[in-house]
Amino acid sequence: DTGVSQDPRHKITKRGQNVTFRCDPISEHNRLYWYRQTLGQGPEFLTYFQNEAQLEKSRLLSDRFSAERPKGSFSTLEIQRTEQGDSAMYLCASSLVGANSPLHFGNGTRLTVT
Amino acid sequence: KQEVTQIPAALSVPEGENLVLNCSFTDSAIYNLQWFRQDPGKGLTSLLLIQSSQREQTSGRLNASLDKSSGRSTLYIAASQPGDSATYLCAVWGRDDKIIFGKGTRLHILP
Repeated sequence: DTGVSQDPRHKITKRGQNVTFRCDPISEHNRLYWYRQTLGQGPEFLTYFQNEAQLEKSRLLSDRFSAERPKGSFSTLEIQRTEQGDSAMYLCASSLVGANSPLHFGNGTRLTVT
Repeated sequence: KQEVTQIPAALSVPEGENLVLNCSFTDSAIYNLQWFRQDPGKGLTSLLLIQSSQREQTSGRLNASLDKSSGRSTLYIAASQPGDSATYLCAVWGRDDKIIFGKGTRLHILP
């Protein structure tokens, strides 16, 4: 169990550019979540997958955001035409199915849009 | 819509003291409640998970309680240490399968 890993740790990009983040969950975990966190706030839900199926998307996830989990293992989160308001920490978490399975988080990707 | 509140937003206590962090939620229809710790610039580390049928969970110096009917949970930290300084967040897993976080309590233990 190597934990949840996210790549890159930091990303600085210019407004209007596209960025893609990757998350590798704990290997046997079939649920994968994406959250966004800004300074002084708790994580806000973006979307989650069960295996390869995307089960829910938050209304926070505009058309510029897309997430995939093609083989039910790693996931990618892409932001197109980035805006300064997209600057945040993007957190990935994984768990087993079942409400008694704790969430395990990665260390996040910090995005800065200049 | 579930709302999760953590009060106070920040807390400073001298080393060695026992302390209690509070979490309240508006919808008692939950599967579980989980407490996390977050160090600056890092992800969240799971501390304790309390199932809806449980009233408390303990791990080392940490004890978390859950009163589902009143929509409250507390995290008790015994004999606080400077290494306990961090932000503590609670998250509620609702029956609608949504996991909602509070904004956290920033804890500073004074050496």
